[in-house]
Amino acid sequence: GESVGLHLPTLSVQEGDNSIINCAYSNSASDYFIWYKQESGKGPQFIIDIRSNMDKRQGQRVTVLLNKTVKHLSLQIAATQPGDSAVYFCAEKFSGAGSYQLTFGKGTKLSVIP
Amino acid sequence: GAVVSQHPSWVICKSGTSVKIECRSLDFQATTMFWYRQFPKQSLMLMATSNEGSKATYEQGVEKDKFLINHASLTLSTLTVTSAHPEDSSFYICSARVTQVPVGGYTFGSGTRLTVV
Repeated sequence: GESVGLHLPTLSVQEGDNSIINCAYSNSASDYFIWYKQESGKGPQFIIDIRSNMDKRQGQRVTVLLNKTVKHLSLQIAATQPGDSAVYFCAEKFSGAGSYQLTFGKGTKLSVIP
Repeated sequence: GAVVSQHPSWVICKSGTSVKIECRSLDFQATTMFWYRQFPKQSLMLMATSNEGSKATYEQGVEKDKFLINHASLTLSTLTVTSAHPEDSSFYICSARVTQVPVGGYTFGSGTRLTVV
């Protein structure tokens, strides 16, 4: 199930099930989106990205869906494994010449139940 | 490829002292680097953007005299927390924009846990 704590929503899933992590981004002018995985005490690790001219992109066990109409991004993880337990962040890059800064979403903690 | 090495991974310092955090791009040239701060159970907050050879651009609310950023070469950016106080204790992360494809645009350091006592 999904719960919202003081700062970080948590999603608990059974090992082997599929996980869906959602993100609402802020700027309709953003043109590039990235999902990151962050394990405790480490820096963010790239998972998958998508540009605004696409609505779906697939990687190995992961799929990112982009709905620009409602400014929504989702990350689907197939056959979730214990090693997938981490905090997941979406990040957006605003469009515009010379604009390279990323803005991160609040994050979701994924807990995989063995 | 496109690895950023960040050091130290953790540091404890006394109030009033300064701490320097280094980020090196190991196998590419990092024209632009970003510095983030992350409090427990929170997201990454951008502190500043540094471009090689020029002054850093700080986000609103970030004191530039307290968080000194130097990006003197294409492979090294440093963040110095001056006159550190306990409220500066946080997880600091650097990131570099990667212009090579297909890495994915940005690569991150492993972070530095700063504890000010």
